[in-house]
Amino acid sequence: EVQLVESGGGLVQPGGSLRLSCAGSEFTFSKYWMHWVRQAPGKGLVWVARINTDGSSTSYADSVRGRFTISRDNAKNTLFLQMRSLRAEDTAVYYCARDSGLGLRIFDYWGQGTPVTVSS
Amino acid sequence: EIVLTQSPGTLSLSPGERATLSCRASQSVNSNYLAWYQQRPGQAPSLLIYGASSRATGIPDRISGSGSGTDFTLIISRMEREDFAVYYCQQYGSSSWTFGQGTKVEIK
Repeated sequence: EVQLVESGGGLVQPGGSLRLSCAGSEFTFSKYWMHWVRQAPGKGLVWVARINTDGSSTSYADSVRGRFTISRDNAKNTLFLQMRSLRAEDTAVYYCARDSGLGLRIFDYWGQGTPVTVSS
Repeated sequence: EIVLTQSPGTLSLSPGERATLSCRASQSVNSNYLAWYQQRPGQAPSLLIYGASSRATGIPDRISGSGSGTDFTLIISRMEREDFAVYYCQQYGSSSWTFGQGTKVEIK
């Protein structure tokens, strides 16, 4: 069974930085696009960022472009999200999700999420 | 950016009843790129429907999706206790993914 396990969340002050990780297993990690999706407390889902299979192409939501960087290490089957200049509105549970491939552009597997709180 | 608007915001039903959830797009969506997800309390979302009408692996046939253009529908023909959750539609276009705001289906 495909597994995605996020880590790295926590409490950070406004303006601070945090690096999230997502370890993938039970599938060929290097063959799939990967995403980060977040959910603020009591709110809906918001797509954050996407990376292609070899890391050569990325895209971001307008709200995080220039502050967040998505990357991956295929040798370690791990996805990352480097978050800088954090704001209170970045407070959310951050999920990593696998793009199903086959050109469908959907999220077929999700991790359990890691919470990020931006507060002084 | 395409905006997805889901209605109703909350649906109160009894087990065994039919649920009809709507997802309306601000402009036409390629049906191949329209999906539905279920999120139970305290859990991550899970894929239900992709390509507007194809069920994901393991999804029972009481759950179905339909629609095209700007109007899409998720139907649960007979609600079971495990179906009471929040449902999100999602689309892809122009290198961006967007979700609707969600419909909560609660027990009446």
